Amino acid sequence: ETGVTQSPTHLIKTRGQQVTLRCSSQSGHNTVSWYQQALGQGPQFIFQYYREEENGRGNFPPRFSGLQFPNYSSELNVNALELDDSALYLCASSSVSNTEAFFGQGTRLTVV
Amino acid sequence: AQSVTQPDIHITVSEGASLELRCNYSYGATPYLFWYVQSPGQGLQLLLKYFSGDTLVQGIKGFEAEFKRSQSSFNLRKPSVHWSDAAEYFCAVGAQDRAAGNKLTFGGGTRVLVKP
Repeated sequence: ETGVTQSPTHLIKTRGQQVTLRCSSQSGHNTVSWYQQALGQGPQFIFQYYREEENGRGNFPPRFSGLQFPNYSSELNVNALELDDSALYLCASSSVSNTEAFFGQGTRLTVV
Repeated sequence: AQSVTQPDIHITVSEGASLELRCNYSYGATPYLFWYVQSPGQGLQLLLKYFSGDTLVQGIKGFEAEFKRSQSSFNLRKPSVHWSDAAEYFCAVGAQDRAAGNKLTFGGGTRVLVKP
């Protein structure tokens, strides 16, 4: 059983650019959730995808968007990057039968 | 709206001593509660979870937590701390969603330092 994998591990972007982060969910899981963890804080829920549709969203602006693919992998897209978007972005997968969420190692995004 | 408070930002404990991390939550119904641990630069690892039933739950690495509904608390404990327990610990509450997985609300975390 493979775990949750995220790519890339680190990246640096310039303010105003766009970025795409990727997540492969754990085998058998059909739900993917994304979280933003700013330095020194707890993770904050961005949104969740279930069966390729958004299933709940946290307090994040529309420039944060996502996709879920038929194989349940997912992308997080952030447009018009701001300095405050610098954070660790965590992906978590889960399934209907098991409400436990399994987290990936995260992508560290730095906006300069 | 659900929320989680971890009152202690930092805790320093001697190796071999006991550890207790506090967590208070706010949620309108019976909550799903979790404790996660995060080592520097890493993702989150689940230590234990409470969904229902016995209010004292056992987790990995010798950790346990007790759900107290009357106090809206879910405190984490370990009888004897090892140097490898130095990390950041997060308490989280999950919104029950039978159609999909939980959406978690996390506390701000407690950083645990272990003295030799």
